[in-house]
Amino acid sequence: DAGVTQSPTHLIKTRGQQVTLRCSPKSGHDTVSWYQQALGQGPQFIFQYYEEEERQRGNFPDRFSGHQFPNYSSELNVNALLLGDSALYLCASSSGAISTDTQYFGPGTRLTVL
Amino acid sequence: GENVEQHPSTLSVQEGDSAVIKCTYSDSASNYFPWYKQELGKRPQLIIDIRSNVGEKKDQRIAVTLNKTAKHFSLHITETQPEDSAVYFCAASKGGSYIPTFGRGTSLIVHP
Repeated sequence: DAGVTQSPTHLIKTRGQQVTLRCSPKSGHDTVSWYQQALGQGPQFIFQYYEEEERQRGNFPDRFSGHQFPNYSSELNVNALLLGDSALYLCASSSGAISTDTQYFGPGTRLTVL
Repeated sequence: GENVEQHPSTLSVQEGDSAVIKCTYSDSASNYFPWYKQELGKRPQLIIDIRSNVGEKKDQRIAVTLNKTAKHFSLHITETQPEDSAVYFCAASKGGSYIPTFGRGTSLIVHP
């Protein structure tokens, strides 16, 4: 039973560039949430995708956008990168059909903006 | 919105001692409270959770208690081991679309 996977593991970008991060949910899960975790902080909710639509969004600017595909995998896109976007980006999956409460995290993508 | 406070930020114990981490939340409508363990450079892993219709839940050396009236919940680890060393996060959310608010984390250090 495959868990949540994310790619790439690490990424280095420069200010102003754009980045795309990818996530495949745990088998049987249809809901994907994205989080930003700065060093020494708890994860901060960015948005959640269900049935290929953004269902809820946290307090992040429009530079952060996403997409969910028919196979439930998801992408996080960040435009016009800022130094402050450097963080660990986590995705978490859950099952909308069984329970939306319990989430399982992927290993994360470490983004460094120079 | 929901606000979750977590204390202490750092906790240092000797192997075999007990460790307690406390969290408070602000939204009385919150009804789901998971705890995650995050080892350095790794993903947060769910270790235990509790729902508002239960006051206490135990899983081997780990237990969580919930006081809805006071809006606080705690993680208890007994007989700590060096491998328990990690950052622990509490979270709170309302049922339905699960959007948890996380605490800032507690760095637990267990000395052999």
